[in-house]
Amino acid sequence: EADIYQTPRYLVIGTGKKITLECSQTMGHDKMYWYQQDPGMELHLIHYSYGVNSTEKGDLSSESTVSRIRTEHFPLTLESARPSHTSQYLCASSAGTGGYEQYFGPGTRLTVT
Amino acid sequence: AQSVAQPEDQVNVAEGNPLTVKCTYSVSGNPYLFWYVQYPNRGLQFLLKYITGDNLVKGSYGFEAEFNKSQTSFHLKKPSALVSDSALYFCAVRGSYGGATNKLIFGTGTLLAVQP
Repeated sequence: EADIYQTPRYLVIGTGKKITLECSQTMGHDKMYWYQQDPGMELHLIHYSYGVNSTEKGDLSSESTVSRIRTEHFPLTLESARPSHTSQYLCASSAGTGGYEQYFGPGTRLTVT
Repeated sequence: AQSVAQPEDQVNVAEGNPLTVKCTYSVSGNPYLFWYVQYPNRGLQFLLKYITGDNLVKGSYGFEAEFNKSQTSFHLKKPSALVSDSALYFCAVRGSYGGATNKLIFGTGTLLAVQP
């Protein structure tokens, strides 16, 4: 079944650690996105990708980085986690044509202590 | 600039009553409009979209939305609310000149609380 996956679902980590949040989709979509969302609040686009080897920063400045080496995989990395990075991170994908709706993964809730 | 507004932070409705969650937008060109629902500790689920055609769009779980071009609105509706509809609802918009990125602009969300 075509879907979009994120791991881990929950992560508690200490300040200064390097972390990678995984996102994979089996929908064959070209475009992928990362959003940051504080609890019960609006989404902020932090990164997006048109396709393989294409990444752009989003509307909200973020200290994280992303890569897109394979169509289905769009990991997000924080080199040195800080308490200000505590948030929910949502990954999404969309097809290149058609209705343009985005499909979201279940999210990763990150807590940096 | 493209924008979308959800004027109500929270909507309260009794189970069995009709519900409306409001959304207005501003875009360049023709709008592509979307509604999503988010349950606690989950990602967003796509409910419905308007691209072109009939102004009344039907979606998942009995929800529908009415596109009104003159009022630049896209309100989400359901004839009879269920307690299980309680969740956070997001409206999103993309202009037809949105370019190759398919970026959506999301509203700030409206919390729907359905009382039994």
